[in-house]
Amino acid sequence: EIVLTQSPGTLSLSPGERATLSCRARQSVRSSFLAWYQQKPGQAPRLLIYGASSRATGIPDRFSGSRSGTDFTLTISRLEPEDFAVYHCQYYGSSPPTFGQGTKVEIK
Amino acid sequence: QVQLQESGPGVVRPSGTLSLTCGVSGDSISSNNWWNWVRQPPGKGLEWIGEIYHTESTNYNPSLKSRVTMSVDKSKNQFSLKLTSVTAADTAVYYCARAAPGSSPFDSWGQGILVTVSS
Repeated sequence: EIVLTQSPGTLSLSPGERATLSCRARQSVRSSFLAWYQQKPGQAPRLLIYGASSRATGIPDRFSGSRSGTDFTLTISRLEPEDFAVYHCQYYGSSPPTFGQGTKVEIK
Repeated sequence: QVQLQESGPGVVRPSGTLSLTCGVSGDSISSNNWWNWVRQPPGKGLEWIGEIYHTESTNYNPSLKSRVTMSVDKSKNQFSLKLTSVTAADTAVYYCARAAPGSSPFDSWGQGILVTVSS
């Protein structure tokens, strides 16, 4: 299975700042079947990005995703108050699909 | 808009069987989608448990395969999860989720249900 490592574990930023979250696959991945989810306390994950860089329906364009080899990045260009949450990456190009351990974006 | 809703006991005895159901509205369980279960232990990351198609075809996480059974009930538009021989390590929030066929992300999720394994 594909092991995903997210960094940092916690990101402390202020509203309006740029957030850069990393998700690294330990093995070579054959495709960009990488998704990002946002999860707020007490809520289910919400799909933000799929195919490494495509935004899901209704997701604001301040959220963007990219890939460089086995490194995937989620960027939030300007943090809004509602963006403070935990973000999970998922690789769904093989079975079992796997998740990273999550990155918490907290208010500084 | 599809909605998924988990239901089942919130407490299960050690060595017992965890049984959950996911009711689906706004979509047919017989549509061209895979229906998944994912869990999240308190304070930890997400773990995929398995998936089922309306034809009863299943795929399970190898780490749980020996203890997992999934089924569908087309008449009630729902699908179910059974996890046997549970221990405290199975305490988690259990989510059901939908995915399109092929390699696809989970585009809709239930709100989740906390299941605690305790005597």
